[in-house]
Amino acid sequence: QVHLVESGGGVVQPGGSLRLACTASGYTFSNYGMHWVRQAPGKGLEWVAFIRYDSSNTYYADSVKGRFAVSRDNSKNTLYVQMNSLRSDDTAIYYCTKGHAAVSETWGQGTLVTVSS
Amino acid sequence: DIQMTQSPSTLSASVGDTVTITCRASQNIHSWLAWYQQKAGKAPKLLIQKASSVESEVPSRISGSGSGTVFTLTISSLQPDDFATYYCQQYNSYPYNFGQGTKLEIK
Repeated sequence: QVHLVESGGGVVQPGGSLRLACTASGYTFSNYGMHWVRQAPGKGLEWVAFIRYDSSNTYYADSVKGRFAVSRDNSKNTLYVQMNSLRSDDTAIYYCTKGHAAVSETWGQGTLVTVSS
Repeated sequence: DIQMTQSPSTLSASVGDTVTITCRASQNIHSWLAWYQQKAGKAPKLLIQKASSVESEVPSRISGSGSGTVFTLTISSLQPDDFATYYCQQYNSYPYNFGQGTKLEIK
């Protein structure tokens, strides 16, 4: 059974940094691309980033390009997103998802990031 | 970037009704469209990919159709478990934008 667990969320000041992690189990992590998707409180879903199975390519939403960096460690079955220069509009639940044929096939439970002074 | 527009934003219906949600893409995305269901306080769940391919374990009364720029999600014989928010997402090209969501509520 596929299981994704996000961690690393919390409260951070504007301009600060945070690194989220997503630990995967129940499938061969190294064979699949991974997405980050976020949801601001009471708002809709926003696709954030994608990394290919072998880290050969990464893609970002314009809203985070240059500030966020997605990476993965296939030896640890873990996906990361390094978030820098955080702003109040980055406040959201961050979900990692398992990509399959590009769609978000399986979702984690999410981790809340709050950017506030 | 491809923009996705869902209508309506809110839909009121009764158990047993049939409802349709529409998703429009700002340019041709062929059949690269997915639908997700999200219940309050939960992570979204993939329902349909490639516009009409329903995921296993999704009830057969849920279906999707369309291609190009106009897509629909149809839920027939609504059940209490269906009242949730639904999102479409294009995956033809990055960024993989979502629609703004359609909240299906009990009338």
